[in-house]
Amino acid sequence: DIVMTQSSDSLAVSLGERATINCKSSQSVLYSSDNKNYLAWFQQKPGQPPQLLIYWASTRKSGVPDRFSGSGSGTDFTLTIRSLQAEDAAIYYCLQYYDPPFTFGPGTRVAI
Amino acid sequence: EVQLVESGGDLVQPGGSLRLSCVVSGFGVRVNYMTWVRQAPGKGLEWVSVVYGDGRRYYADSVKGRFTISRDSSENTLSLQMTSLRAEDTAIYYCCSGLFCDLWGQGTRVTVSS
Repeated sequence: DIVMTQSSDSLAVSLGERATINCKSSQSVLYSSDNKNYLAWFQQKPGQPPQLLIYWASTRKSGVPDRFSGSGSGTDFTLTIRSLQAEDAAIYYCLQYYDPPFTFGPGTRVAI
Repeated sequence: EVQLVESGGDLVQPGGSLRLSCVVSGFGVRVNYMTWVRQAPGKGLEWVSVVYGDGRRYYADSVKGRFTISRDSSENTLSLQMTSLRAEDTAIYYCCSGLFCDLWGQGTRVTVSS
């Protein structure tokens, strides 16, 4: 099974500053036949289900603010929140959907 | 309106069984990847099971042999049959659709306790 790790359990960021969340997979999630990274990012706020932010590692879901961006390839990925807003306080998870069983990272809590 | 609505969560004794349902509105349950994800109290997300559009099914190691995912086209419903339940299965269970879970339900709570 692919193991997902996130470099920080939590981080504190000031309003208007940049937040960087890292995710690493134990093996590559880049599928050679379509050159896509099978990696997604989710945001979860207390008492709510997760919300998809990014898929294919860097494609923003429609309606997600453009301050959220994803990057990386192979085994190392980053979610960047540019100019952090108060409503961005949440837990962020990465998910690999390259090879079942799919697996989530442990989550990174972003506090303002 | 496109939405997912879970039900069936309950308090059940260890070793017991429970069936969760996820009613799908706005698209066909068979045309999409459908997934169950759970979240234990105060913990992170745990992927549980997926059924592909072509019928292939996969499970997390923690539930393999105890849980069964299925679909009912007539009622446009996704189900999760859970047997031999353990305390560590206590969680909110979410269904989500799409290969990368772009749509989620609100979840249903399962508590396994004597």
